[in-house]
Amino acid sequence: DTGVSQDPRHKITKRGQNVTFRCDPISEHNRLYWYRQTLGQGPEFLTYFQNEAQLEKSRLLSDRFSAERPKGSFSTLEIQRTEQGDSAMYLCASSLVLGYTEAFFGQGTRLTVV
Amino acid sequence: AQTVTQSQPEMSVQEAETVTLSCTYDTSESNYYLFWYKQPPSRQMILVIRQEAYKQQNATENRFSVNFQKAAKSFSLKISDSQLGDTAMYFCAFMSNGNQFYFGTGTSLTVIP
Repeated sequence: DTGVSQDPRHKITKRGQNVTFRCDPISEHNRLYWYRQTLGQGPEFLTYFQNEAQLEKSRLLSDRFSAERPKGSFSTLEIQRTEQGDSAMYLCASSLVLGYTEAFFGQGTRLTVV
Repeated sequence: AQTVTQSQPEMSVQEAETVTLSCTYDTSESNYYLFWYKQPPSRQMILVIRQEAYKQQNATENRFSVNFQKAAKSFSLKISDSQLGDTAMYFCAFMSNGNQFYFGTGTSLTVIP
């Protein structure tokens, strides 16, 4: 296992199109997080899962955003009807529940909406 | 709500010197974890060091150490013998009750040769 994997690394899309990102966490990790990061800012929480259950979703997240984690393994984040303000780096992280261990991050998916 | 504040947007340090990055946080929780993450340019975020709030002893990892002041809600990172590879964005993060991580806005550190 080489860590958290995200696909694609880069995505350019036209405004109004739908996009989907995938995250494969470290295999034994039951927590999976999605964050959004804009230039010069810290990661902003979007949502997180424990196994297949989505436990929390940011109030900042509009209805155009949806995330799933079927079978508690990989996760997908979909953005519908993209807007220019959605342009950002989307980070996925995973961790174990026990012992408040640190989150391990993927390399992110950079989304550009034109 | 938990908040994390990093008041130094940018810092620089001469190679081999020591630098301290500041972080303050606000919470009503009594048990929580604090982290410093490093994000090199165009590379993924990696953990530098973490501190459990119930431990009085400050965490140390090789050249990296923290000064954890629970009453003051302060959590600074000291980097000793700075190296060129330490050039990166550094994020302070907070987590409690096994929930989400809250991040500060980051400090951009440049190590000058």
